[in-house]
Amino acid sequence: DTGVSQNPRHKITKRGQNVTFRCDPISEHNRLYWYRQTLGQGPEFLTYFQNEAQLEKSRLLSDRFSAERPKGSFSTLEIQRTEQGDSAMYLCAQDRGDSPQETQYFGPGTRLLVL
Amino acid sequence: AQSVTQLGSHVSVSEGALVLLRCNYSSSVPPYLFWYVQYPNQGLQLLLKYTSAATLVKGINGFEAEFKKSETSFHLTKPSAHMSDAAEYFCAVTSTGGFKTIFGAGTRLFVKA
Repeated sequence: DTGVSQNPRHKITKRGQNVTFRCDPISEHNRLYWYRQTLGQGPEFLTYFQNEAQLEKSRLLSDRFSAERPKGSFSTLEIQRTEQGDSAMYLCAQDRGDSPQETQYFGPGTRLLVL
Repeated sequence: AQSVTQLGSHVSVSEGALVLLRCNYSSSVPPYLFWYVQYPNQGLQLLLKYTSAATLVKGINGFEAEFKKSETSFHLTKPSAHMSDAAEYFCAVTSTGGFKTIFGAGTRLFVKA
């Protein structure tokens, strides 16, 4: 048990609907990442936060995607006007934020299916 | 730009046999290299990592990996496979240049009785 939790674990939605996922952190781990993982692929970086500041965003993160981390605690990832291509596993991870060599602790993921 | 290539999307070994999962990386700056494992319905967890301290890195569950700069490789090995090793394994790279982590496509390990 890494201590990182994600909710919901599964989400089925219709194309065009908005969805929001939540990641609850390990305390004192100040860097938080979001990844997307599709079948047969490794996790793809989407964005990361240092405390409440969003410091980097991937080109994969279109304007339909937005992530927040109010107060540097839990984080949410929202997808607006979902498309079938958004179907994937969305992973949240954290590390202590001291350097790039830190171990990342992953949550179990939220599996999204867009019909 | 950094990248990771894992050779072989599927590897099958017999129980007790040597496990070898291949990873090659590309990085313009000194890399930090990781192997993560993902068991079914679980999150990724760290097996081991290279952070420039020692080229041969030992991890959990008897796995180890050797950083070879000349070959730009970080292959994962285990002398004797166990049924419980069946999982998906991901090689990943970061660098001193930033915190973005690049993962390989993964290698699924099957262990036959």
